Amino acid sequence: GDSVTQMEGPVTLSEEAFLTINCTYTATGYPSLFWYVQYPGEGLQLLLKATKADDKGSNKGFEATYRKETTSFHLEKGSVQVSDSAVYFCALRAFKAAGNKLTFGGGTRVLVKP
Amino acid sequence: GAGVSQSPSNKVTEKGKDVELRCDPISGHTALYWYRQSLGQGLEFLIYFQGNSAPDKSGLPSDRFSAERTGGSVSTLTIQRTQQEDSAVYLCASSLEAGIYTDTQYFGPGTRLTVL
Repeated sequence: GDSVTQMEGPVTLSEEAFLTINCTYTATGYPSLFWYVQYPGEGLQLLLKATKADDKGSNKGFEATYRKETTSFHLEKGSVQVSDSAVYFCALRAFKAAGNKLTFGGGTRVLVKP
Repeated sequence: GAGVSQSPSNKVTEKGKDVELRCDPISGHTALYWYRQSLGQGLEFLIYFQGNSAPDKSGLPSDRFSAERTGGSVSTLTIQRTQQEDSAVYLCASSLEAGIYTDTQYFGPGTRLTVL
């Protein structure tokens, strides 16, 4: 079945450091890929998405490129801020997914210290 | 515009009681989804609606769980005879249409359910 694997946290960084969160997936066909973010005390928010191979999603300084050959969708940000402290979820939605569901990774908690 | 709203935000109940969780999707969104977020299981898909119908209920963890949607808008997730393992955050999401796999799902803030 479909699955998403992302690096376990917590990831602790200093402000202005470079952030990478690895995400790999298994799916039949060509899924759409998403990164969602959950800030403390808030709901899930879409951060960025990519719908086909080599697409790059970007938002708020974050980027992720859909790599079909390595089945990956790693999230990166060049200079993190304290406000980026959150839990980040990688997710996929397979073509004709049963129930149109999103399949999520386990989440990666990121803590940015001043 | 208004986002997805859920009520209550927190619910504490005793084992064996029934609970109802409510979701108001974004206006105009025809697809509605329920997920569960728990420590042991991460984020799990439960059920989705296209309009008022639920084509796939296979994600519901047991027959104690049911959901309905009326008027193509509000949805209610009902858990009967709650068990401690039902304790989780129940998330609702909506999207414009269910048939477009690139469509974005927008999530509500969730209902935190605690079963004592």
